[in-house]
Amino acid sequence: EVQLVESGGGLVQPGGSLRLSCAASGFTVSSNYMNWVRQAPGKGLEWVSVIYSGGTTDYADSVKGRFTISRDNSKNTLYLQMNSLRAEDTAVYYCARDSIARHAFDIWGQGTMVTVSS
Amino acid sequence: EIVLTQSPATLSLSPGERATLSCRASQSVSSFLAWYQQKPGQAPRLLIYDASNRASGIPARFSGSGSGTDFTLTISSLEPEDFAVYYCQQRSNWPRTFGQGTKLEIQ
Repeated sequence: EVQLVESGGGLVQPGGSLRLSCAASGFTVSSNYMNWVRQAPGKGLEWVSVIYSGGTTDYADSVKGRFTISRDNSKNTLYLQMNSLRAEDTAVYYCARDSIARHAFDIWGQGTMVTVSS
Repeated sequence: EIVLTQSPATLSLSPGERATLSCRASQSVSSFLAWYQQKPGQAPRLLIYDASNRASGIPARFSGSGSGTDFTLTISSLEPEDFAVYYCQQRSNWPRTFGQGTKLEIQ
């Protein structure tokens, strides 16, 4: 079965760090464009970051310099290292596959909640 | 970045009625537009890609149209399970922006 399963969310203080994981099954992470998308409580979807199949990365301006996307090919897992967290980073974080064939995010994880609060 | 504007923000209809949702881009995205459905507590689900192609397992009552800057998602006859929030997303440029969403609610 093709699926993504996120983990690693939780409560963290402002200025703190957290690492999210996204384990893939049924397909190879390194052969695809993999993304993180977040959704603040009661709000819409915001694209956060991408790692291309070649390994290059890109970030939304709101997280550039604070977040780092990476992958472990041996574990078929995607990561998001989040540093210098702010209250406005509070959101559900989803990982999603960007299908090159369908030009859309065709596989999504169930999401993991990150709360930044003192 | 490309801004996507969805209208209306909320659409109140009854089961069996036809729903028409709009998405307008601030510049041309060609046909690189997708539609997603999101229900409370769930991840978004891909409905339509490349403006008019239904994703796997999506019922035929969902259809998409448009190109350039103006796009439409149509649900021909609403089923109870269709009441949800719908987002459009462009895949023409980075960042991959989303519209703000249209909430389809039961009248």
